[in-house]
Amino acid sequence: SAVISQKPSRDICQRGTSLTIQCQVDSQVTMMFWYRQQPGQSLTLIATANQGSEATYESGFVIDKFPISRPNLTFSTLTVSNMSPEDSSIYLCSVIRRDGTDTQYFGPGTRLTVL
Amino acid sequence: RKEVEQDPGPFNVPEGATVAFNCTYSNSASQSFFWYRQDCRKEPKLLMSVYSSGNEDGRFTAQLNRASQYISLLIRDSKLSDSATYLCVVWNYGGSQGNLIFGKGTKLSVKP
Repeated sequence: SAVISQKPSRDICQRGTSLTIQCQVDSQVTMMFWYRQQPGQSLTLIATANQGSEATYESGFVIDKFPISRPNLTFSTLTVSNMSPEDSSIYLCSVIRRDGTDTQYFGPGTRLTVL
Repeated sequence: RKEVEQDPGPFNVPEGATVAFNCTYSNSASQSFFWYRQDCRKEPKLLMSVYSSGNEDGRFTAQLNRASQYISLLIRDSKLSDSATYLCVVWNYGGSQGNLIFGKGTKLSVKP
C-alpha cells in the first residue's frame, strides 16, 4: 500500500483565516485527490489535483475557496480559505499508485475545527 | 435519490454471528464497486473489490447484482476486530478521470 502522510493531523482555527494542508506520498502516483468528510457524512470529492496545472473541481467546490497545488508527482497542498465553522471537517488526501491495480489509498486525514 | 445508499446501522452483533450489509446505487453506468472499511477516527481502507461473479476473501463475501443495482457484503464468524464502519463505494467514469462515490457507511459493532 502507499504511504501517505498529511500535515497537520489536526488544527483548530479562527473564522476568516486560512489553513494549508500538505500531502506527501512515498512513491509516484498517477492521480491525487482531495476529499472532505463532514461529521456523520460520506466522503465527498473536492477536486483532483493535477500536476503542473489547475486542479479539476467537483460541483460545489471552487478554486478561490479551496486552492490546490501539485508541483510534482508525490506532493500536493489543499488550502481552506476564509474559513467558517461550516468548513469543520476531516480533509483526506487520496492517491492511485502506479502499480497497475488502480487501488485508491487514503491519507490519515486532517481534522479541522473552525471556531 | 442518493447515488449510493446504505443502511446506516448500527448493527450490534455477538461474536461469531453472520452479518450482511446491503447497498444500492443509482447510476446504471457505474463501472466498479468496492467495500471500504473505516475505523473510528481513521482513514478508509480498501476491504475488497466487488465483481459481477461474486468474490470471497476469507470470512468476507461480496456480491453484485447489476440488474438491481445492488451490492452486498457478508461477514461470517464475526470478530471483535470487525467493528468498524463499512463503506459501499462505486466508481463512475467521468470525462478523463474517474470518481469514487461513497455511501455514508454502515456501522458494525461486534460484542463479546
